[in-house]
Amino acid sequence: QQQLQESGPGLVKSSETLSLTCTVSGGSISSSSYNWGWIRQPPGKGQECIGSIYYTGSTYYNPSLKSRLTISVDTSNNQFSLELSSVTAADTAVYYCARQRVLGSGSFYIDSWGQGILVTVSS
Amino acid sequence: EIVMTQSPSTLSVSPGESATLSCRASQSVNSKLVWDSNLAWYQQKPGQAPRLLIYGASTRATGIPTRFSGSGSGTEFTLTISSLQSEDFAVYYCHQYNNWPYTFGQGTKLEIK
Repeated sequence: QQQLQESGPGLVKSSETLSLTCTVSGGSISSSSYNWGWIRQPPGKGQECIGSIYYTGSTYYNPSLKSRLTISVDTSNNQFSLELSSVTAADTAVYYCARQRVLGSGSFYIDSWGQGILVTVSS
Repeated sequence: EIVMTQSPSTLSVSPGESATLSCRASQSVNSKLVWDSNLAWYQQKPGQAPRLLIYGASTRATGIPTRFSGSGSGTEFTLTISSLQSEDFAVYYCHQYNNWPYTFGQGTKLEIK
């Protein structure tokens, strides 16, 4: 069964760049059936889709974060990554990586999640 | 951006009874290409990642018990859990994946009465 695992620092200073990596095991990230995404959940709040990437490098970015966001994929290591620049306290959240099943229509839904990693932005 | 509104925010139900959770979208989330709705339901327990229950508004994900059922179309959706088990008490989120950015509801907490 395919698994996803987030890694990266749990504490980032305000105005710096948050960087996370998701390692996919038990299957290839180069599958044509899936996108690979990042979702975050601030403490006590609901989830927010940050962005997604296909193994070819095609991306979807949330417009609210687009100016600060970079998502990349490393097929040789079966990983994909998130970089969010100029962070503030509002970026404090549990960050999840996820596998997203791609439909014939082009839409995609999350069918598997990583365990999540809490990232706190400190001043 | 499509706004997803769930009701109620908290639902108190006794084990063995049924629970009905509602989700409303600010605009239709029906697929333009197929006769389907791009709406999913997730269950989340404290300290855990969400788990996919339902996609396409009514299709159960692999391994999900038949007591979980989803219905609805367009902008109105329902998740019904029959014969509640102790492990079903959790927070439930609806999620639209029809229009980017995809969005989630704020959640319904299902608690033991």
